[in-house]
Amino acid sequence: SQTIHQWPATLVQPVGSPLSLECTVEGTSNPNLYWYRQAAGRGLQLLFYSVGIGQISSEVPQNLSASRPQDRQFILSSKKLLLSDSGFYLCAWSAEDYGNTGELFFGEGSRLTVL
Amino acid sequence: AQTVTQSQPEMSVQEAETVTLSCTYDTSESNYYLFWYKQPPSRQMILVIRQEAYKQQNATENRFSVNFQKAAKSFSLKISDSQLGDTAMYFCAFMNYYQLIWGAGTKLIIKP
Repeated sequence: SQTIHQWPATLVQPVGSPLSLECTVEGTSNPNLYWYRQAAGRGLQLLFYSVGIGQISSEVPQNLSASRPQDRQFILSSKKLLLSDSGFYLCAWSAEDYGNTGELFFGEGSRLTVL
Repeated sequence: AQTVTQSQPEMSVQEAETVTLSCTYDTSESNYYLFWYKQPPSRQMILVIRQEAYKQQNATENRFSVNFQKAAKSFSLKISDSQLGDTAMYFCAFMNYYQLIWGAGTKLIIKP
């Protein structure tokens, strides 16, 4: 069966420090991968998605970047965190035929607090 | 712009009661998917139910069913015989051409 894991689960970082959140998927090949940010009362905001190694699409211009060094690994990064980067980040994957099913499978989430 | 609106930020009902969560959306497309996702406290978000817009029949999954009104652009979720484990955030989402648009969520509390 397929599983998805992301870490760390919680992170407290000072302003200006770097960030690295990692997500890995097991049990499937060529998944579509996503990074979302969830803000209270505002639903989910798509930050990045990837349909293959090295292929990253950014939905929202911001202080963050994403990379996909391996087929089932997705990393969210920042060189210098801002206070506004605080939030709950979710990694997700979908099958290649996403357009046929629309189902996303989510990780456990990472809560980032920037002080 | 395509939008999804969940007008109920929070709801609470007694265990075993039936509850309906509302969702409306705005789109000019005719073919799309609609979803309800559930996010229990400190647990992973999971898909509850899915509806294809071209299907007139409302989707059902055990105690969960939807009332899909395409002309009114309404997609409500009904939970029958609610259980304590149904306590969660519920998100309505709309998909068109690989893009998912999310509502702000409804916090549902099931009271014993």
